[in-house]
Amino acid sequence: NAGVMQNPRHLVRRRGQEARLRCSPMKGHSHVYWYRQLPEEGLKFMVYLQKENIIDESGMPKERFSAEFPKEGPSILRIQQVVRGDSAAYFCASSPGGMNTEAFFGQGTRLTVV
Amino acid sequence: GENVEQHPSTLSVQEGDSAVIKCTYSDSASNYFPWYKQELGKRPQLIIDIRSNVGEKKDQRIAVTLNKTAKHFSLHITETQPEDSAVYFCAAPKGGSEKLVFGKGTKLTVNP
Repeated sequence: NAGVMQNPRHLVRRRGQEARLRCSPMKGHSHVYWYRQLPEEGLKFMVYLQKENIIDESGMPKERFSAEFPKEGPSILRIQQVVRGDSAAYFCASSPGGMNTEAFFGQGTRLTVV
Repeated sequence: GENVEQHPSTLSVQEGDSAVIKCTYSDSASNYFPWYKQELGKRPQLIIDIRSNVGEKKDQRIAVTLNKTAKHFSLHITETQPEDSAVYFCAAPKGGSEKLVFGKGTKLTVNP
């Protein structure tokens, strides 16, 4: 089991470009969560998805951010027209679903906007 | 919604001492409480968790206690070692959902 795979590990974008972050959950996991972590800060919930469904996107900024988890392929977090304030580590976690189940984290994508 | 408060934000101990980190939560429906350890530049990793049907759980030098009445849970690390230095996060699910809400983290430094 390869664990939760995120790519790229590091991503540099110029202001105004788009950033696409990918997350492949652990085998058998159908639930994906995205968290943002600013330097020296905690993990802020962004969005919770199941296959083809957004369950909770209460932590997503209203503009420029979107997420999907298609039937086939990885979950994608998309940030359009990036700004310097988007620079952060973005972590994906997956779980098999159900209450009280462990969430496993990927290595994260460190986004730097220049 | 669920609110998780974690204290202290930083903790420095001497090697061999004990360390205690406390978290409080607001949603009485929460019934699963994991603790994650995040080393510098790495992913958060689960180190121990507790479910609401027990009051304490131990795994070698790590223990977690839960007080559902007071809505708080704590992480205890005994005989601390320099490799315990990391940021520790508590979490609790938003009641009735699978969404984990994290505390702000505690940066633990174990001095040799």
